[in-house]
Amino acid sequence: GIQVEQSPPDLILQEGANSTLRCNFSDSVNNLQWFHQNPWGQLINLFYIPSGTKQNGRLSATTVATERYSLLYISSSQTTDSGVYFCAALRSGYSTLTFGKGTMLLVSP
Amino acid sequence: DGGITQSPKYLFRKEGQNVTLSCEQNLNHDAMYWYRQDPGQGLRLIYYSQIVNDFQKGDIAEGYSVSREKKESFPLTVTSAQKNPTAFYLCASSITDLGYTFGSGTRLTVV
Repeated sequence: GIQVEQSPPDLILQEGANSTLRCNFSDSVNNLQWFHQNPWGQLINLFYIPSGTKQNGRLSATTVATERYSLLYISSSQTTDSGVYFCAALRSGYSTLTFGKGTMLLVSP
Repeated sequence: DGGITQSPKYLFRKEGQNVTLSCEQNLNHDAMYWYRQDPGQGLRLIYYSQIVNDFQKGDIAEGYSVSREKKESFPLTVTSAQKNPTAFYLCASSITDLGYTFGSGTRLTVV
């Protein structure tokens, strides 16, 4: 199956800082999603972004499908941004998402 | 409000016991999924179903069973054959392969 690798595995930021999370995938995809898991375990879909760029408030994401990577940008981070960020990819011709191991983000006041 | 409801939130299982985790959705989504999450790990797919009365094994189906008798419901049974069941279990649904919606999860512990 497809391999999904995320970096960095852990990230500590001071409130107000910016960050970039990276997701590399091993094969062509027709679905790429970013999720945020809060400290209570709830997973929230942030972006559905198989290609191109999208923005939602302080968050934006870019996927370059031809080079098999996606980036999640967090600007002016807040303590509520803490949690684990997952990238998940769906390989062309397959039916289910494959998740990376996540980036654990801690934003300190 | 539409969403996915998982119950119970916490579940304790004795050795050799079967337990069933509930997952109900009112989003009218065709596809439903069960994932397992271990500490520091990503989500691994247990089973999925794309239509009623049909389901497929995921990457780690051994020791688990499911049913899909109704579009809204996709219960997961953790059988005694699953030797290491302690984990966080997440249910999700989607319209085809578009954005997934997740439930709030069930934490299962073997006692």
